[in-house]
Amino acid sequence: GESVGLHLPTLSVQEGDNSIINCAYSNSASDYFIWYKQESGKGPQFIIDIRSNMDKRQGQRVTVLLNKTVKHLSLQIAATQPGDSAVYFCAENSGGSNYKLTFGKGTLLTVNP
Amino acid sequence: KAGVTQTPRYLIKTRGQQVTLSCSPISGHRSVSWYQQTPGQGLQFLFEYFSETQRNKGNFPGRFSGRQFSNSRSEMNVSTLELGDSALYLCASSLEGAHYGYTFGSGTRLTVV
Repeated sequence: GESVGLHLPTLSVQEGDNSIINCAYSNSASDYFIWYKQESGKGPQFIIDIRSNMDKRQGQRVTVLLNKTVKHLSLQIAATQPGDSAVYFCAENSGGSNYKLTFGKGTLLTVNP
Repeated sequence: KAGVTQTPRYLIKTRGQQVTLSCSPISGHRSVSWYQQTPGQGLQFLFEYFSETQRNKGNFPGRFSGRQFSNSRSEMNVSTLELGDSALYLCASSLEGAHYGYTFGSGTRLTVV
């Protein structure tokens, strides 16, 4: 069935380093992708999104890259800070009559001071 | 601008009981979705409502139901609770639906004993 999966369940980085979180998806009809950040005890928080007509989109300290050929999505966080420690989820939607987001399992990012 | 509000934040119920969770979306948002989050299964889609109509339903038993009111507020109900229903239940709202991203609430932590 459809799935959105993450390659790495955990990622540990040093403060100030750049982080890269990866995500693979299987639905070739997916055309909208979102990255969420979830801190302990809170709901997922929107970070950045990208539509399939783009390969790259940048936000504040974050960049999302989309490779439709290999169905791969990545989130890059520049100059990672301790406040970036959280679980990161990718999610996808294929539009049309699909009214749900399909989420990956999540990656735990730990930033060491 | 107020975010998505879920009540209650925490709930403890006994097996066999039923429970109702409430969600107030962001003002102006007409789409409301519900997700169940567990450590083992991650974020699983329950259902989505738009202008009081259920447009999508996930693969959950009929014990899980929901509704949306004319003011876009939504409730979900779980009847005949089982231990496996213990989870974080997340509500999310959007202007039009998943293809425009969702803003999540902080969730209701349900514990079934």
